[in-house]
Amino acid sequence: QKEVEQNSGPLSVPEGAIASLNCTYSDRVSQSFFWYRQYSGKSPELIMSIYSNGDKEDGRFTAQLNKASQYVSLLIRDSQPSDSATYLCAVNNTGNQFYFGTGTSLTVIP
Amino acid sequence: ETGVTQTPRHLVMGMTNKKSLKCEQHLGHNAMYWYKQSAKKPLELMFVYNFKEQTENNSVPSRFSPECPNSSHLFLHLHTLQPEDSALYLCASSFRQGMQFFGPGTRLTVL
Repeated sequence: QKEVEQNSGPLSVPEGAIASLNCTYSDRVSQSFFWYRQYSGKSPELIMSIYSNGDKEDGRFTAQLNKASQYVSLLIRDSQPSDSATYLCAVNNTGNQFYFGTGTSLTVIP
Repeated sequence: ETGVTQTPRHLVMGMTNKKSLKCEQHLGHNAMYWYKQSAKKPLELMFVYNFKEQTENNSVPSRFSPECPNSSHLFLHLHTLQPEDSALYLCASSFRQGMQFFGPGTRLTVL
């Protein structure tokens, strides 16, 4: 069983739409959750972190966490072509282990 | 720039060579990490150091040897690698188990 699962996509949305990216994790003791954006040929770039149930908003990005369902999502409002990238979900337990999903490829169509 | 630098950015080596990857962080973090990223696979955590002490070694083959002389510097020494070791090697740092910031990576090709 994979620790962190994401749909690989590709996910395509028109410019200006809301992109919804989903992630599930298997370890119930996971404490910290992160979303990274990775452009082709580049390293991952931190977008959001979330630690408690509910929503956390930062500009056009909203992270949502539901620990009971072991589910974390990222919403991107008013999607722009520059948002086209692979989005990685990462989960940290109480120790030093970080688990990443394989990523969801997002394409925003102008 | 994230405050984490890696050298070299690209490396081609033969299976009998010995080389080292270098990572430096300028963020005042106390934890540093090595990851391997291969195509179509999730990022794989290789090693973790907290305050220069290795705290995780995720069953990495001994042909990969990490070194952390202080909280700002991290090395990955490579020897007798295999072609399947070709990948992007990423260094990251964080304050404790918080948000990780990644360096640009070293693209390694083993011939």
